[in-house]
Amino acid sequence: NAGVTQTPKFRVLKTGQSMTLLCAQDMNHEYMYWYRQDPGMGLRLIHYSVGEGTTAKGEVPDGYNVSRLKKQNFLLGLESAAPSQTSVYFCASSYWAGDGMNTEAFFGQGTRLTVV
Amino acid sequence: AQSVTQLGSHVSVSEGALVLLRCNYSSSVPPYLFWYVQYPNQGLQLLLKYTSAATLVKGINGFEAEFKKSETSFHLTKPSAHMSDAAEYFCAVSDHGDSSYKLIFGSGTRLLVRP
Repeated sequence: NAGVTQTPKFRVLKTGQSMTLLCAQDMNHEYMYWYRQDPGMGLRLIHYSVGEGTTAKGEVPDGYNVSRLKKQNFLLGLESAAPSQTSVYFCASSYWAGDGMNTEAFFGQGTRLTVV
Repeated sequence: AQSVTQLGSHVSVSEGALVLLRCNYSSSVPPYLFWYVQYPNQGLQLLLKYTSAATLVKGINGFEAEFKKSETSFHLTKPSAHMSDAAEYFCAVSDHGDSSYKLIFGSGTRLLVRP
């Protein structure tokens, strides 16, 4: 059981280049998330999705776009990379607990992105 | 909106000593609470979670946390630290209402274990 898989694991981009990060989960979870992790700032939510075909903005959405065309996949796009987007990106998925509250998230291994 | 505060960005203990990592949340309504651990160059792994079934929650690797509503706290403890516990620990909380599917994370506490 793979859980949450992120590709690629590492990437170096030049300023202005574009790229797409792929997240795939095999747990049939409804909710998927993209976080970025920066030293001393914990994890900040970029975008999230509550189901196939839906997306919403999180805390730090600027400069990113997402798509969820299939339930198991959640793509994060950078149209024009900037050095401020150098970070470690984590994808996560979770399921509904059934009582109005969320439950724990399952994380991928992360993508380390450097923009030069 | 919910928020989570972790006191101390770094905590250093000796091997065999008590581990105490602090977490406070902002809501007046008990949320779901989680502790995650992150080892170097890895993703986050769930240590334990509070879902209102019991105030003292036991997790993996000997860790436990106690939910205290009066203090809005969910501190993580382990009676005896091991070198392998050195990692970064994150407290997280589920938001409420229309945003209940979002997990809000604290800024993390790096645990250092001295021989």
